[in-house]
Amino acid sequence: GAGVSQSPRYKVAKRGQDVALRCDPISGHVSLFWYQQALGQGPEFLTYFQNEAQLDKSGLPSDRFFAERPEGSVSTLKIQRTQQEDSAVYLCASSLRGRELSYNEQFFGPGTRLTVL
Amino acid sequence: GDSVTQMEGPVTLSEEAFLTINCTYTATGYPSLFWYVQYPGEGLQLLLKATKADDKGSNKGFEATYRKETTSFHLEKGSVQVSDSAVYFCALSDIGSGGYNKLIFGAGTRLAVHP
Repeated sequence: GAGVSQSPRYKVAKRGQDVALRCDPISGHVSLFWYQQALGQGPEFLTYFQNEAQLDKSGLPSDRFFAERPEGSVSTLKIQRTQQEDSAVYLCASSLRGRELSYNEQFFGPGTRLTVL
Repeated sequence: GDSVTQMEGPVTLSEEAFLTINCTYTATGYPSLFWYVQYPGEGLQLLLKATKADDKGSNKGFEATYRKETTSFHLEKGSVQVSDSAVYFCALSDIGSGGYNKLIFGAGTRLAVHP
């Protein structure tokens, strides 16, 4: 079946522009995560949704970053007034269940590479 | 807070050589441990996992054992192939009070295997 998809795959923005990155999780997956992966680094957690509820946004680096998942499926990560330090690959992951007592595998999308000039 | 440290790359090997990529972690609870692989142009894929101490995860000839006493989860493969060339990430996950598990990754180790 279809995996996690993200669009666009590549985005070039001028400093100060707003961008919106889309994630389509696997159908029926309750949990959705966003991660940021800087060049040469491992992914870092940004935010977590359980259905439409954003339960954790502790990793968002500033109030310029905003994420939503209004119908509990597709999610959008928006970055306002982009800065050069926002250049990174943004990864989305989904998992089947919400609250868990043990590990619930996360399936990753291919990512969106954002370059801010 | 929780963290993962893995050996820096790149690691360059000849085909059929033995591979070890070291990974150690720091965690306050009892995390699950993972190795993810990222092939060129593709998304992260789960390679193997271990959810408790002394568990051995294995997949595609790769193995890693959860060692609580040394807080380590080293990745090994007895005979690498050119197709194993990729970036490998060690990660941990600890279920917090919210009942979900966010992943904490190491910086990644690039492996290049030559014929």
